Amino acid sequence: AQSVTQLGSHVSVSEGALVLLRCNYSSSVPPYLFWYVQYPNQGLQLLLKYTTGATLVKGINGFEAEFKKSETSFHLTKPSAHMSDAAEYFCAVTLSGAGSYQLTFGKGTKLSVIP
Amino acid sequence: ETGVTQTPRHLVMGMTNKKSLKCEQHLGHNAMYWYKQSAKKPLELMFVYSLEERVENNSVPSRFSPECPNSSHLFLHLHTLQPEDSALYLCASSERGEQYFGPGTRLTVT
Repeated sequence: AQSVTQLGSHVSVSEGALVLLRCNYSSSVPPYLFWYVQYPNQGLQLLLKYTTGATLVKGINGFEAEFKKSETSFHLTKPSAHMSDAAEYFCAVTLSGAGSYQLTFGKGTKLSVIP
Repeated sequence: ETGVTQTPRHLVMGMTNKKSLKCEQHLGHNAMYWYKQSAKKPLELMFVYSLEERVENNSVPSRFSPECPNSSHLFLHLHTLQPEDSALYLCASSERGEQYFGPGTRLTVT
């Protein structure tokens, strides 16, 4: 079984400051990892994903995340926050084996951007 | 239309009503999902339909009944709901790995 922990249910940053949203996972086999963003009254939109290969993955809107196996982490970063980044962010994990259709989501981190 | 669509976007229903939520995916995926998203609670997987498996979350009450007539359409039939069932209901589809979500149906049970 796999699980995801997002540290901090609410993070506030100033516009132009670094964004760092933390995600730790547990998985018995190599995981596939994802970050999703959700704006109010909308569905979840895929930001980026890690499956295999390069451990630093780049996504949309200037976000990136680094898979660190030794730390079982997949933290999301963006060098400079923009007002439009204010949303809720979800980290998710699934198993890389065949027949794996289920994602396990973290509880989400709500990002506020202060002008 | 592209992606995953859901209708209706908003639904208000009484506890004695019967209604259905519809989801359609235009991505050629072979798996579809229903999730429930309540305020201050984690995203809850309700049902999964795929070529290889159908998975039901055993904690989902029987007043929620899914139907998947083909790989592109998914329904969630609702009857005799309770006020605590008010939430955002999200549909998603996938081939394998990442899931693509619809905009959701905001359900209010009065």
